[in-house]
Amino acid sequence: QVQLVQSGAEVKKPGSSVKVSCKASGGTFSSYAISWVRQAPGQGLEWMGGIIPIFGTANYAQKFQGRVTITADKSTSTAYMELSSLRSEDTAVYYCASSLDCTGGVCRAAGFDPWGQGTLVTVSS
Amino acid sequence: EIVMTQSPATLSVSPGERATLSCRASQSVSSNLAWYQQKPGQAPRLLIYGASTRATGIPARFSGSGSGTEFTLTISSLQSEDFAVYYCQQYNNWPLYTFGQGTKLEIK
Repeated sequence: QVQLVQSGAEVKKPGSSVKVSCKASGGTFSSYAISWVRQAPGQGLEWMGGIIPIFGTANYAQKFQGRVTITADKSTSTAYMELSSLRSEDTAVYYCASSLDCTGGVCRAAGFDPWGQGTLVTVSS
Repeated sequence: EIVMTQSPATLSVSPGERATLSCRASQSVSSNLAWYQQKPGQAPRLLIYGASTRATGIPARFSGSGSGTEFTLTISSLQSEDFAVYYCQQYNNWPLYTFGQGTKLEIK
């Protein structure tokens, strides 16, 4: 079973960028898609986008198009989410999660499992 | 974009009683629906996928039903550890996903 470990908390200035990492272990990295989900304080879950390493393709929620970039480094089994032009409303916990099983080149969706532990990003001047 | 709407926003139930949570999709998602439980300070946990299949290690008191646009999560006899926030999520048009806004299950 794959496990996902995220990088630590970040404090950023408005207008800057943040890059959060998600390292996978215990499984075949290329066989899983990784999604990023954020949760603002006291709010619900919001899917931002994801990447399917076996295909090298990334997809984004329309709300974040042009501001988020999701990449994957197969050599280190690590996925990254970079969010630019940060504003105070981007203060949130950011989670990565395994969103597709693409073992054998055929992708199967069955919910997001497992999840990383979350990374708090605080945007403040 | 498929919009997921959960009801009610807050549900108050006594321990030992049954809780029924609803989720509606703005268009059919077939059975491609998942439910998650989230406790304060924790990452969400997958409970149900395929609308009715329990994830590994999930107790039998959790059950899911529905297809198309209407879905239900039922917790048959509430335990103290079940009071949390619950989210539904559609994955019918992966790799694009949407979550419902959540239902907070609180102790009555």
